[in-house]
Parts: sequence; structure tokens; C-alpha cells
Amino acid sequence: QVQLVQSGAEVKKPGASVKVSCKASGYTFTNYYMHWVRQAPGQGLEWMGIIIPSGGSTTYALKFQGRITMTRDTSTSTVYMELSSLRSEDTAVYYCAFSGNYGVYWGQGTLVTVSS
Amino acid sequence: EIVLTQSPGTLSLSPGERATLSCRASQSVSSSQLAWYQQKPGQAPRLLIYAAFTRATGIPDRFSGSGSGTDFTLTISRLEPEDFAVYYCQQYGSSWTFGQGTKVEIK
Repeated sequence: QVQLVQSGAEVKKPGASVKVSCKASGYTFTNYYMHWVRQAPGQGLEWMGIIIPSGGSTTYALKFQGRITMTRDTSTSTVYMELSSLRSEDTAVYYCAFSGNYGVYWGQGTLVTVSS
Repeated sequence: EIVLTQSPGTLSLSPGERATLSCRASQSVSSSQLAWYQQKPGQAPRLLIYAAFTRATGIPDRFSGSGSGTDFTLTISRLEPEDFAVYYCQQYGSSWTFGQGTKVEIK
């Protein structure tokens, strides 16, 4: 079955960077675009960007341009999202997700806490 | 960017009642790319409906989706105690956007 397994929780200081991984299984990794979405505490869902696993091209939401980098490793079916210059407002749960043949599939989420 | 506006913000109902949640888009959305989610505190969003009206695997038939173009609806025919949660709509075209959520609370 389709699974997206994300890396564990992170605690970072303001100004630092964080890199979250998302390992895919149960489907052909290069066939579906992967998205990243985040949710701050008590807030709604916010789309961050997309990576096309087959070629590696990316599109980022305007809000994150200049601070976000998405990459992929096709040999391990893993995508990565790195966010730099972290501030307290970046404290959130980060999700990878993609839309497939039978709906939208989500990772379990990775809590990133930014605190001095 | 397609903006999704959900209404009402909060719905206060009793178990057994019918819930009707609205999602309005700022421009036309392909029906094949409209989803609904349920989210409870501390949990990831749970996919309920995709392609506007198709129930995801394991979702009870008291949940149904309808609509097209710019107006979509999620209906819960008879609320069960476990249905009290926050619900989001999403359009999943080339970029994604989400509504701000509707909280269904116990009256």
C-alpha cells in the first residue's frame, strides 16, 4: 500500500535551517508530483510548494521563495524539504503529500519547533 | 491563486443531526480536483472525499460530497459523536489551496 514516512521531530534555534525527509513506497515514485504543506499550531493548512520527482524541477509558494529548497533522491524514493532562516512563526507540522489515482496521500507529519 | 472560502466558520449541532458544509472557490475548480478532509487535534488530516464526490477508502456513507464549478458541499447525514472535528476543503490542481476550515462542534 502507499506509504509516505517522514523523519522525526526537530527543535531548531532561530536563524537555523531544518531538512525534513519523506520516504515513499507502494507506488511508482517518479509518476506523481510531491507537495509540501504545513500547519502552524491552531492554524489551517498552508501549501509550500511542489517537486516533480522524475526531473527534480520545483515550484515554490511566493511566501517561501528564497528560504525553501526541495530535492529528491530517486534511488531511495525520498523527497526532502529544507527551510532556512527559521523564525518562531515557522513552528509547525510539516507534511509531504501527493494526489494519486485514489485520492490524496499524506505523510504522518513532522513537528518542527523553532525556539531560542 | 484559487481562494477557497468555507462557511460557516463554526457549526453547532447535536448528534443525529445533519451537517451541511460549504466551500466556495474564487474561480472554477475541476471537480476531479476537489477534496474534503476531517482533522482532529493532534492528528494529520484524514481524507474523506476526493474528486468532489468520491468517498475515500473506509469512509462511512453518511459522508457525501457534491457540487461543481465554484460551489461544493460536504454533507454528513447523521452526526456521530466521532464526527465533531474541523473540516477542510482543498483544490489539488497544479498548486494546492485549502479553505480556512469549518469547526463542527457539539451543541
